[in-house]
Amino acid sequence: EAQVTQNPRYLITVTGKKLTVTCSQNMNHEYMSWYRQDPGLGLRQIYYSMNVEVTDKGDVPEGYKVSRKEKRNFPLILESPSPNQTSLYFCASSLSLWGPQATEAFFGQGTRLTVV
Amino acid sequence: GIQVEQSPPDLILQEGANSTLRCNFSDSVNNLQWFHQNPWGQLINLFYIPSGTKQNGRLSATTVATERYSLLYISSSQTTDSGVYFCAVCTGTASKLTFGTGTRLQVTL
Repeated sequence: EAQVTQNPRYLITVTGKKLTVTCSQNMNHEYMSWYRQDPGLGLRQIYYSMNVEVTDKGDVPEGYKVSRKEKRNFPLILESPSPNQTSLYFCASSLSLWGPQATEAFFGQGTRLTVV
Repeated sequence: GIQVEQSPPDLILQEGANSTLRCNFSDSVNNLQWFHQNPWGQLINLFYIPSGTKQNGRLSATTVATERYSLLYISSSQTTDSGVYFCAVCTGTASKLTFGTGTRLQVTL
């Protein structure tokens, strides 16, 4: 089954304790991205990757890191989480978002992160 | 950047009723999707529809790209249709999907 898998689904952590949210897709998609969703602010892009070893900042990259060492994986790293990073996080992948090869994006199940 | 507005913001229906949700966007798009966010927070793909009309069971969608809007039709609504419906678009060489403000739907018995 074609899917985007995020782990963990739920996480409560303390301020300053490094954490990684994993994202994996099995569709051989080149494009992957992370979003966060907050009440009143909607979904905002954190980082994206056009292909292996190619990553770039989205709209709200501060406090986050990503890496794309393999095509299927795109982990989100919070080196020193703070309470304002409490949010619902989504990973997404697509063959391409634009041009003649534009296709739909698929989203993971979401990760609810609480930083206390 | 592109603006994406959805209407109505909130909708309460009785089970069995039909509804139309609208998505207006301010620029040309080459990618438009409709999602349902269920009460557990999951984003479920409904349609990939940059233009034209598609149907899937009780749901159908139409995008008129030249007039910059898309419509999502829900017929014979069920309580499981409750949640928030988002449209999301991508323009030109943009690197992201821009999400609309959402329509919160509640279907009651």
